[in-house]
Amino acid sequence: GENVEQHPSTLSVQEGDSAVIKCTYSDSASNYFPWYKQELGKGPQLIIDIRSNVGEKKDQRIAVTLNKTAKHFSLHITETQPEDSAVYFCAASAGGSYIPTFGRGTSLIVHP
Amino acid sequence: DVKVTQSSRYLVKRTGEKVFLECVQDMDHENMFWYRQDPGLGLRLIYFSYDVKMKEKGDIPEGYSVSREKKERFSLILESASTNQTSMYLCASSLASIGTQYFGPGTRLLVL
Repeated sequence: GENVEQHPSTLSVQEGDSAVIKCTYSDSASNYFPWYKQELGKGPQLIIDIRSNVGEKKDQRIAVTLNKTAKHFSLHITETQPEDSAVYFCAASAGGSYIPTFGRGTSLIVHP
Repeated sequence: DVKVTQSSRYLVKRTGEKVFLECVQDMDHENMFWYRQDPGLGLRLIYFSYDVKMKEKGDIPEGYSVSREKKERFSLILESASTNQTSMYLCASSLASIGTQYFGPGTRLLVL
């Protein structure tokens, strides 16, 4: 089955800095890669996703890049703000089943 | 907006008790999921369902069962709760053809 590795487990940055979270996956059939943000006391919420026919996608301060050859994808957050502090999960799923395999999460702390 | 609700935010049960966790979604999604979230382990899939009365085991189904009698409702059952089932339980739903998952707020279960 699919295996998703996520790094780092904890990331601490100063407000205004950029943050990068990286994930690797094992199943070359995976074609959908969402990123979720989980704020304290809440369930995870989709913030951005990318499909395997696209190399990069951007939404304001958030971008995701995908390297299918190397089987890795990354989340980039620019100009971080304290409200970006949360746990971020990457996931990968294949084909039409859309049953995702999640990474173990990254706790992002943005210091004011 | 899609809404996924879970019957309890916090629950305290005794070892050996039968525990029911209920999840309801209001967007006519085919797929529903139960995850367990533990620190450092990310989101682990317990069971999922792709249709009424249909269920599939996830990665960690032991000690759990599920029920889906209606499309909007997916229940997780702990037949005989044990202390190692103390955890955060998250329910999610998604359309069959789209990978985005919508999560509920979670139920934090403590088994004494």
